[in-house]
Amino acid sequence: GAVVSQHPSRVICKSGTSVKIECRSLDFQATTMFWYRQFPKQSLMLMATSNEGSKATYEQGVEKDKFLINHASLTLSTLTVTSAHPEDSSFYICSALRRDNIQETQYFGPGTRLLVL
Amino acid sequence: GENVEQHPSTLSVQEGDSAVIKCTYSDSASNYFPWYKQELGKGPQLIIDIRSNVGEKKDQRIAVTLNKTAKHFSLHITETQPEDSAVYFCAASQNYGQNFVFGPGTRLSVLP
Repeated sequence: GAVVSQHPSRVICKSGTSVKIECRSLDFQATTMFWYRQFPKQSLMLMATSNEGSKATYEQGVEKDKFLINHASLTLSTLTVTSAHPEDSSFYICSALRRDNIQETQYFGPGTRLLVL
Repeated sequence: GENVEQHPSTLSVQEGDSAVIKCTYSDSASNYFPWYKQELGKGPQLIIDIRSNVGEKKDQRIAVTLNKTAKHFSLHITETQPEDSAVYFCAASQNYGQNFVFGPGTRLSVLP
């Protein structure tokens, strides 16, 4: 299967600071990447769709000014949590959409655990 | 929008037995149905997927069946092993990952 990496794997920050999470597709180009958030013992909730070279599309209820997404290249998307607060503590997971000739498959990164103190 | 339900929420089986997890979806436009395995503290890993032009797909001990008319699909794991213990998520989507919706997950425990 395809490989998607995330960095950092774990981050602890103080309330009010900003945190950047990187998502990379290592062995394929991805014009579309997705960002999810997962709370303990719950399913993944889509936050936004990141398209290379254009603005991200945010799901209802997700603040675009708080969760800044940049997809500047075909292998990298970043999520910046601005002015983080304890309620932003969660497991953030990205995925990248790989398109073959006739189909597309979504591959997930290993996730980033964010703890805001 | 799409709504995906998944049952059971927890499942315990003895090692060597089979496990079956079922999902239903609501949007008839969905045409892609992947299954992911998520181990504690890790991201979801794609284990098998099926597209709407196929009724069944098998990969070693894992198989998925799809009934488009009834809008449900199932994951079958045979000869379960302790390392199969994890949370399994089904999902449904349309082309290009559009309207990709996860089910709530099933926590599978394989008892040695």
